[in-house]
Amino acid sequence: GNSVTQMEGPVTLSEEAFLTINCTYTATGYPSLFWYVQYPGEGLQLLLKATKADDKGSNKGFEATYRKETTSFHLEKGSVQVSDSAVYFCALSLSGAGSYQLTFGKGTKLSVIP
Amino acid sequence: DGGITQSPKYLFRKEGQNVTLSCEQNLNHDAMYWYRQDPGQGLRLIYYSQIVNDFQKGDIAEGYSVSREKKESFPLTVTSAQKNPTAFYLCASSMTSGRYNEQFFGPGTRLTVL
Repeated sequence: GNSVTQMEGPVTLSEEAFLTINCTYTATGYPSLFWYVQYPGEGLQLLLKATKADDKGSNKGFEATYRKETTSFHLEKGSVQVSDSAVYFCALSLSGAGSYQLTFGKGTKLSVIP
Repeated sequence: DGGITQSPKYLFRKEGQNVTLSCEQNLNHDAMYWYRQDPGQGLRLIYYSQIVNDFQKGDIAEGYSVSREKKESFPLTVTSAQKNPTAFYLCASSMTSGRYNEQFFGPGTRLTVL
């Protein structure tokens, strides 16, 4: 079956530090990959996405590259801000196979301190 | 503005009562989903619907029921058979064709059983 594994949190960083949240996946096909962000008490927002190998998704200073050879989609940001404190979810869906269900990782909580 | 609305934001229920959570979308999406979120467990799929008048069980459907009488609406009923209903419930919707099958989420309903 399909699965997503994220690094366990919580992660605590100082403002302007470099962020990496690891995400690896297993899938019976060629998935699309997503990062979602959830701020306290809110729903999930799509942060970035990629649909094929070597695609780089980017948004709000966050980046992630679809690495088929290592089945990974690690999230990075060069300089985090207090406002980036949230829970981050990696997810996959199988595109082009009639399936559009998302499989989520368990989430990684990020806290950024001034 | 297009989006997904959920109501109420907070809901309190006595044991033995059924409650219904509302989800409405104006994105013209065919597919809609219900997830349950518990601390440290990520998101788990309860039910999903690909088309009006049709829906399928997800991973944790026991104790829940849904209906899909209109494209825009996908209400979730938490029945008295659900053993531990206290959780955060998220509704989502998506297209069912094209490579980008990302899901769009509502703001969530927090259900507490008293």
